[in-house]
Amino acid sequence: DVKVTQSSRYLVKRTGEKVFLECVQDMDHENMFWYRQDPGLGLRLIYFSYDVKMKEKGDIPEGYSVSREKKERFSLILESASTNQTSMYLCASSGGRGTNEKLFFGSGTQLSVL
Amino acid sequence: GDSVTQMEGPVTLSEEAFLTINCTYTATGYPSLFWYVQYPGEGLQLLLKATKADDKGSNKGFEATYRKETTSFHLEKGSVQVSDSAVYFCALMNYGGSQGNLIFGKGTKLSVKP
Repeated sequence: DVKVTQSSRYLVKRTGEKVFLECVQDMDHENMFWYRQDPGLGLRLIYFSYDVKMKEKGDIPEGYSVSREKKERFSLILESASTNQTSMYLCASSGGRGTNEKLFFGSGTQLSVL
Repeated sequence: GDSVTQMEGPVTLSEEAFLTINCTYTATGYPSLFWYVQYPGEGLQLLLKATKADDKGSNKGFEATYRKETTSFHLEKGSVQVSDSAVYFCALMNYGGSQGNLIFGKGTKLSVKP
């Protein structure tokens, strides 16, 4: 089975801190995604990547950046965390281009920014 | 732009009751339609899909039929179990769009009582 692992289940940070959320997948998938999930808003795409060192903005990229130095790892970076970035963050991956239908999700990281 | 609208929850049912979760979509072209499920404490996973009009997706007793005339993809199950308690997300992918990424609805929380 595909495994998508997010480094932390719960994270508490302070306003202004730099925050790194790590995601690793073990199925050699080309595509990786970062979503945030908020009650009443569903899932919103932050950034995605179709290849190593490649990144594209999703629907809500402001305040975030990403890094994909290796195929299996996709990091989400909050340069200066703010309280409105308190959310559940979900990482996902999928196979080659054109196969984004079946996303495999990690269990999520619940980030609280105080 | 493309969008998905699903009924607001939460939905609370007794075990063995009939389930319907409504989902309608707005999209140009011919999107593929999906239902994803998120069990407590887990990431999302694909439940079923349909890729063209009149297709029926089914899995684990759940069904949904792609209705182009009503732009709908309602999820149904004849007899729910406590283990079906989860959040259900309707989603679409429009290959005619610019990104070919999934667009999710806001999710519907289902609670099944014994």
